[in-house]
Amino acid sequence: TQLLEQSPQFLSIQEGENLTVYCNSSSVFSSLQWYRQEPGEGPVLLVTVVTGGEVKKLKRLTFQFGDARKDSSLHITAAQPGDTGLYLCAARGSNDYKLSFGAGTTVTVRA
Amino acid sequence: GAGVSQSPSNKVTEKGKDVELRCDPISGHTALYWYRQSLGQGLEFLIYFQGNSAPDKSGLPSDRFSAERTGGSVSTLTIQRTQQEDSAVYLCASSLRWGNTEAFFGQGTRLTVV
Repeated sequence: TQLLEQSPQFLSIQEGENLTVYCNSSSVFSSLQWYRQEPGEGPVLLVTVVTGGEVKKLKRLTFQFGDARKDSSLHITAAQPGDTGLYLCAARGSNDYKLSFGAGTTVTVRA
Repeated sequence: GAGVSQSPSNKVTEKGKDVELRCDPISGHTALYWYRQSLGQGLEFLIYFQGNSAPDKSGLPSDRFSAERTGGSVSTLTIQRTQQEDSAVYLCASSLRWGNTEAFFGQGTRLTVV
């Protein structure tokens, strides 16, 4: 079973529109990370959230960690073609050292 | 080195052959991960090394897969008797330690079994 469920699987929008990607689980996490991966490259960390209810902003990207630390969202405002990529959430369980990833959301921003 | 280095970047092998994939982590990083990624999919956990502790091998899909990490640095992932379903990108990552730390990824090895 997938520890982390991401939705939607695919998202295609026009430049300037907003988008939200979700990462959900039935498990509680000590922290959650978001990565972005471009074709032919490895994933690159965008943010780590550790506190329930935490909101972090990175330019046009806003990340939120759920109050119960079971879910997270990534919101992009005024998307640009450079935001195109595979967005992955990742987390470690409270007693688990390995970093598990969701299946990812493929975002395409059309110019 | 400046980042995580993986070699080879591409490998084409015949079904039934053995392959070795290499990962050079960032110097000083004690944690090392191997993942497998099929086209357009997320990352499937394979194995995790942390310092001198016994590795977490819970993600290895079969006994044809094995990995070792020598001297707490370089790691080799070995796939014996390769099958077509083994075709994927194999990604290695390292982090400073376990916990809420960033995982730095290599560019991966694209394995094609023909």
